Amino acid sequence: EVQVLESGGGLAQPGGSLRLSCAASGFSFSGYAMSWVRQAPGKGLEWISGISGGGGGTDYADSVKGRFTISRDNSKNTLYLQMNSLRAEDTAIYYCAKCRTVTTKYDMDVWGQGTTVTVSS
Amino acid sequence: QSALTQPPSVSGSPGQSVTISCTGTSSDVGGYNRVSWYQQSPGTAPKLMINEVSNRPSGVPDRFSGSKSGNTASLTISGLQAEDEADYYCSSYTSSSTVVFGGGTKLTVL
Repeated sequence: EVQVLESGGGLAQPGGSLRLSCAASGFSFSGYAMSWVRQAPGKGLEWISGISGGGGGTDYADSVKGRFTISRDNSKNTLYLQMNSLRAEDTAIYYCAKCRTVTTKYDMDVWGQGTTVTVSS
Repeated sequence: QSALTQPPSVSGSPGQSVTISCTGTSSDVGGYNRVSWYQQSPGTAPKLMINEVSNRPSGVPDRFSGSKSGNTASLTISGLQAEDEADYYCSSYTSSSTVVFGGGTKLTVL
C-alpha cells in the first residue's frame, strides 16, 4: 500500500525550531516529487514547499522562504521539513504529500494524516 | 501569491448537479493546465479528485468532472450523493514555480 506518515510535530516557542519527518512506503520514493502542505485551525490549505524526486529542485511559498528548509533522504525513503524562526502563525496541521511525477510539485495524490505543530509561549 | 477565489459554500439536493468555481489570474489558473481539485471531509486528509484541469485519478467516480475557461476553473459534481458532502479546494501551479490553493468551498447535500 502506498502511504506516507508524518512525525515530529509538537509544541514550540516563538523563534524556536522543529524538524518534521515523513516516512514513505509502498512506492519508489526517489521517483516522485514531494510537497508539504499545512492547514491552520479552521482554515484552508496552504502549500508551503516542494522538492523534486532527486532532491535538486526545491520551491517555497513566500510565507516560509528563508525560515523553512525541505530536504529528502532517498536512501531512507524519508522527507523532512526543518522549521526555524517559528511564529504563532505557523501553528497548523502539516501534511506530507506525494506528487504524481518526479518533477511536478503541483498535484498531490497521496497524503498523510498530518502532524500538528503549535507555536506558543 | 494571493489565494484563488472560491465561493464559501454551495449546496444541492441528492441527484442534482453542482458546480464550484475557482478564479485566479493569468499567472496561475489561466496560464497553465495545472489545476487540481481536492476533497476534504472533516478530520481527514485531502483527497485528489481532479488533476491537470480535467483528469480523474483512478478510483474517482465519473460524477466528478473538471474544466477551465480563461482564468476560471470549475469542478462539477453530478448526481449528488450524501457522501459528497465535504470541503473542496482547488489549486494551481503558478508562474513563481509554487502552488496556490483556493480558500475552499463547503458543499452541503440537502
